[in-house]
Amino acid sequence: DAGVTQSPTHLIKTRGQQVTLRCSPKSGHDTVSWYQQALGQGPQFIFQYYEEEERQRGNFPDRFSGHQFPNYSSELNVNALLLGDSALYLCASSPTSGGAFNEQFFGPGTRLTVL
Amino acid sequence: QKEVEQDPGPLSVPEGAIVSLNCTYSNSAFQYFMWYRQYSRKGPELLMYTYSSGNKEDGRFTAQVDKSSKYISLFIRDSQPSDSATYLCAMSEAGNNRKLIWGLGTSLAVNP
Repeated sequence: DAGVTQSPTHLIKTRGQQVTLRCSPKSGHDTVSWYQQALGQGPQFIFQYYEEEERQRGNFPDRFSGHQFPNYSSELNVNALLLGDSALYLCASSPTSGGAFNEQFFGPGTRLTVL
Repeated sequence: QKEVEQDPGPLSVPEGAIVSLNCTYSNSAFQYFMWYRQYSRKGPELLMYTYSSGNKEDGRFTAQVDKSSKYISLFIRDSQPSDSATYLCAMSEAGNNRKLIWGLGTSLAVNP
């Protein structure tokens, strides 16, 4: 099992551009969550997808949007990039099981730099 | 005020020391309390989680939750250089796949 994979590893964009980040969940997982981690900060929840729909959303503007595909993989899109969008973007996958606690497994992240 | 507060350190200890890490929080609805470890340029990995109040032990690691004080701790016994990493606390409300709310993370260096 490859675990959670993300692509690309690194990305450099300029202000105003648009970016798409990709995530493949761990085998057997159907829920994908995205987090933004600025340098020296803890991750901030962006949104979560389940059954191809956004189920929860954090305090991020509409410039941040996402998608989940039938195979449970997911994309994060950011439009009109700002310097402040520079961060490590983490994808986490988890199962929707009958248990009360669903561990979120994290990928290595995509490092986005906006110039 | 942030929902979760965590001293970022850095913390530097000699090998074999007992390490104490902690977080405070303000949201009384939090029910799950987690500790993640993050190495440089990697994603966080779950070390331990605790439901509601109490203690949980796993090898050299012990997690404690005091909901009355809104205070959680992670203790590392016999610390090793390989424990050098950033330790993040995270919390969530009860329910399936609730979003995680994180502390800043504490940078730990264990010196041989």
